[in-house]
Amino acid sequence: SQTIHQWPATLVQPVGSPLSLECTVEGTSNPNLYWYRQAAGRGLQLLFYSVGIGQISSEVPQNLSASRPQDRQFILSSKKLLLSDSGFYLCAWARSMNTEAFFGQGTRLTVV
Amino acid sequence: GDSVTQMEGPVTLSEEAFLTINCTYTATGYPSLFWYVQYPGEGLQLLLKATKADDKGSNKGFEATYRKETTSFHLEKGSVQVSDSAVYFCALSDNQGGSEKLVFGKGTKLTVNP
Repeated sequence: SQTIHQWPATLVQPVGSPLSLECTVEGTSNPNLYWYRQAAGRGLQLLFYSVGIGQISSEVPQNLSASRPQDRQFILSSKKLLLSDSGFYLCAWARSMNTEAFFGQGTRLTVV
Repeated sequence: GDSVTQMEGPVTLSEEAFLTINCTYTATGYPSLFWYVQYPGEGLQLLLKATKADDKGSNKGFEATYRKETTSFHLEKGSVQVSDSAVYFCALSDNQGGSEKLVFGKGTKLTVNP
């Protein structure tokens, strides 16, 4: 069966520090991968999506970047965090655009 | 670009009432459409989907029909239960230049009272 791992669950980082959130998928190959930020009243905001290794599409310009160094690994990064980067980040995967997406447990990021 | 607009919440109903949550979309291609549900304290899970025009998705008494002419995918249920209290998200998936994106609406919180 397929599983998705996302870590850490919670993270407190000072302003200006770097960020690296990791997401890995098991039990499938060549998945579509997504990063979202979920905020109350704004739903799920799509940040990045990827259909293959090294293929990253950005939906919203921001202080974040994403990379896919391996088929089932998706990393969300920042060189210097801002207060406004605080939020709940979700990773998800799907086999294709016509199939169900499965979500990780999320990371609660607080920038102080 | 692609976007999803769903009715603002929150929505409060009595048990056995009829539910409609409106959802309209904008897409450049031929999207697939989804409804996801998030129960309190849980993650998002797929409720139903439709992958082409005029398809009807259904699950747990909920239904939604893919209407290309009105670019809509409204969620309906004839008789809601307390256990249906959750946040409902409309979503679309579209292929743009080989990249398959998945875009969500803002969510509608439903509360069903006994």
